[in-house]
Amino acid sequence: GENVEQHPSTLSVQEGDSAVIKCTYSDSASNYFPWYKQELGKGPQLIIDIRSNVGEKKDQRIAVTLNKTAKHFSLHITETQPEDSAVYFCAASIRNTGTASKLTFGTGTRLQVTL
Amino acid sequence: KAGVTQTPRYLIKTRGQQVTLSCSPISGHRSVSWYQQTPGQGLQFLFEYFSETQRNKGNFPGRFSGRQFSNSRSEMNVSTLELGDSALYLCASGGGAETQYFGPGTRLLVL
Repeated sequence: GENVEQHPSTLSVQEGDSAVIKCTYSDSASNYFPWYKQELGKGPQLIIDIRSNVGEKKDQRIAVTLNKTAKHFSLHITETQPEDSAVYFCAASIRNTGTASKLTFGTGTRLQVTL
Repeated sequence: KAGVTQTPRYLIKTRGQQVTLSCSPISGHRSVSWYQQTPGQGLQFLFEYFSETQRNKGNFPGRFSGRQFSNSRSEMNVSTLELGDSALYLCASGGGAETQYFGPGTRLLVL
């Protein structure tokens, strides 16, 4: 089955700096890669996702890049703010019309943005 | 639209008991997936239901089961609870595309 590795496990950055979280996946059939942010006491919140036919996607301060050949994808957060502090999870799945969804998650990155 | 709702939010049970958790997906969504989150194992897929049918199942023992109703609401049941079942149980709602939206979870503590 799919295996997703995520690094680093913890990341501390100063406010205004950039943060990068990296994930690798094992199943070349995976074609959907979401990123979730989880704050204390809450469920994971989808912040951005990318499909395998796209190499990069941006949404304001957040961007995700995908390298299908190397089977890795990364989350980039620019101009970090204290409210970005949370645990971030990457995930991978094989999604086609009519098939089941099963997200395989990475182990999470605890991001701390310091003032 | 209202988000995914899960009840109850917190639950304390003792070993050997059984528990039923409930999830109401986003209005119009027909897919409901369940995940278990623990500090040691992370987020793990339990099963997914679509139109009242289980479409996929994770690698959990048969003590874990679920069902989906005609209104897309879903329940999951854990029988003969073990200490290791203590976890945050998350429900995710899907609208037909890949995107899944998670609820706040039910935190289960087994004593």
